[in-house]
Amino acid sequence: GENVEQHPSTLSVQEGDSAVIKCTYSDSASNYFPWYKQELGKRPQLIIDIRSNVGEKKDQRIAVTLNKTAKHFSLHITETQPEDSAVYFCAAPPGGGADGLTFGKGTHLIIQP
Amino acid sequence: DGGITQSPKYLFRKEGQNVTLSCEQNLNHDAMYWYRQDPGQGLRLIYYSQIVNDFQKGDIAEGYSVSREKKESFPLTVTSAQKNPTAFYLCASSIAGLREKLFFGSGTQLSVL
Repeated sequence: GENVEQHPSTLSVQEGDSAVIKCTYSDSASNYFPWYKQELGKRPQLIIDIRSNVGEKKDQRIAVTLNKTAKHFSLHITETQPEDSAVYFCAAPPGGGADGLTFGKGTHLIIQP
Repeated sequence: DGGITQSPKYLFRKEGQNVTLSCEQNLNHDAMYWYRQDPGQGLRLIYYSQIVNDFQKGDIAEGYSVSREKKESFPLTVTSAQKNPTAFYLCASSIAGLREKLFFGSGTQLSVL
């Protein structure tokens, strides 16, 4: 099955700076890579996703890039704001015909005022 | 108001006791999932169900059981065989044809007395 590695586990940036979170995956057949944001005590929510037929996708201050050859994808947040503080999870399909997603272990993003 | 409802929000289990976590959805989604979340461990799949009266084990099914008698409901029982049940449990669902897009409930925090 799929194995997803996520780095770093904690990331602290100054408000207004950019943040980058990186993930690698093991199954070359994976074709969908979402990112979820989970605020403290709340449910994870999908913030952006990318399919394997594109290399980059943007939505306002967030973007995701995908390198299929290297089997890694990254989340980029520009002009960070206090409300960006949360835990972010990357994910990929589990493979082997199974449903759902395999998640990375998460990155706790801290925005320093 | 469509969505996924988990109850209770907090649950306490005594040693040797089985407890059941409720998950109900009115999104008309076919597939439903249970994930376990531990600090620093990401989300790990316990069980999932693609259709009524059918379910599959995930990565950490030992000590848990599920049923899917109705499309809207997917309860999870944490049995006494689960020796480390303290965790945040998240239920999710997805629509046919978009299995990878998960919609999460607000979670149940289970603790051992």
